[in-house]
Amino acid sequence: QQQVKQSPQSLIVQKGGISIINCAYENTAFDYFPWYQQFPGKGPALLIAIRPDVSEKKEGRFTISFNKSAKQFSLHIMDSQPGDSATYFCAASIVPTRWVFGQGTELSVKP
Amino acid sequence: GAVVSQHPSWVICKSGTSVKIECRSLDFQATTMFWYRQFPKQSLMLMATSNEGSKATYEQGVEKDKFLINHASLTLSTLTVTSAHPEDSSFYICSAIEGGSTGELFFGEGSRLTVL
Repeated sequence: QQQVKQSPQSLIVQKGGISIINCAYENTAFDYFPWYQQFPGKGPALLIAIRPDVSEKKEGRFTISFNKSAKQFSLHIMDSQPGDSATYFCAASIVPTRWVFGQGTELSVKP
Repeated sequence: GAVVSQHPSWVICKSGTSVKIECRSLDFQATTMFWYRQFPKQSLMLMATSNEGSKATYEQGVEKDKFLINHASLTLSTLTVTSAHPEDSSFYICSAIEGGSTGELFFGEGSRLTVL
C-alpha cells in the first residue's frame, strides 16, 4: 500500500528526444506527487510536482501526466538534453508526514 | 526554493569513532526533518523522522543507539553515527519541510561517509 513502483530502471534517449518515466501507486490517501532530479554525489532537487485534482502540469520542457483512476503518473522530458542525464525519482506523499519514493530511473541522454 | 545546508559534504573516519552530520534550514523554519541513507544506484531509504523538540521516530530496522538524531531547534537537526564501522559507509541525506508548507520537501546536498 505504501509502495511506489517506478519504471524503467534505466533509460537511454537521443538528444532532442522525449524521455518518459512512469510511476504507479496504490494508496489513494496520497495527495502530492513530486518528481526529483538527482545528480551523482548530490542531494535530490524538486523538479516538478502535481496534486491529484489536476491531470497535467507543464513547466518548461517537463510535464507530469496524472491518471487518478489508474493510480499512475508519469514524467515527460521534451527535447531531452545531455544535461538532463541524471537519476529521477518519483514520490507520493501524504503531506506533511510521509513521503514514499520510487526506485529511481537513471536517464542518459546521448548527444 | 528554500535552502537546506548539510555539513560536512564528505567525511572519512576510523572504525570505532563517532561522526556528526549537521542539517540546517537556512531561510525557513523546519518543524520536521527527515534523514535518509542512500546506497549506490538505489533509492532513498528513510532512516528517521525528527520533529523539533521531541524524540526522533526511527524506521524499523534502524538502530536508535547507533544513529542518534537530535532536532534541537527549528533550523538544525544532527545525525551522529556512533562507533562507526565500515558497513556504515554510505551517502546520508537530510530533508526538511517548512512549517505550514503545502508539501514541498527540500533536500540537503548529502554527506558521504567513509569508515576505514
